[in-house]
Amino acid sequence: KNEVEQSPQNLTAQEGEFITINCSYSVGISALHWLQQHPGGGIVSLFMLSSGKKKHGRLIATINIQEKHSSLHITASHPRDSAVYICAVNSLQGGGADGLTFGKGTHLIIQP
Amino acid sequence: DAGVIQSPRHEVTEMGQEVTLRCKPISGHNSLFWYRQTMMRGLELLIYFNNNVPIDDSGMPEDRFSAKMPNASFSTLKIQPSEPRDSAVYFCASSPGRGHYGYTFGSGTRLTVV
Repeated sequence: KNEVEQSPQNLTAQEGEFITINCSYSVGISALHWLQQHPGGGIVSLFMLSSGKKKHGRLIATINIQEKHSSLHITASHPRDSAVYICAVNSLQGGGADGLTFGKGTHLIIQP
Repeated sequence: DAGVIQSPRHEVTEMGQEVTLRCKPISGHNSLFWYRQTMMRGLELLIYFNNNVPIDDSGMPEDRFSAKMPNASFSTLKIQPSEPRDSAVYFCASSPGRGHYGYTFGSGTRLTVV
């Protein structure tokens, strides 16, 4: 079983819809990250969370440490939001780790 | 700051050849990470350095892979000899330091071994 599980794997929605991507993890963590990767492009860090909720523009990220679950929300989605969204964690296993453990990503397509 | 700089952006090589990927981290960042991305396995940590010292290389797939960080502004990932299954996108990332979990990724090197 992967340490970081994302759902859904693929998501297609219409412009303007509210989008939710979920991430569950099975290990103790010091931080959770949401990353964005456009086709053929690099990786951009969207959020780093250790508790609560963060908002940046139309993006909102939440984390529930007790339930080991995080969500990424996109309000008023736009075709430019089409990308792969990746959940990643800093695992506490092995005495702590600075490197990231990644989910498989959610491929989001927003149709005009 | 120009961000994390990787070179080359694309590399096509024949099986058996040596491949060297390069990374320049953000100035002042003390931690540097090498990741590999494939369709089958997604993103995986290969190795990371702190203050130029390798801290965890447990993700390096086999002895054909080696990484060095001779100074704070430069790192290399070498594959010798290369194999077709090494084809992937290799990302370098840097972070201000241990315990500080903000990362900046480079644009990646797309390696194709034929």
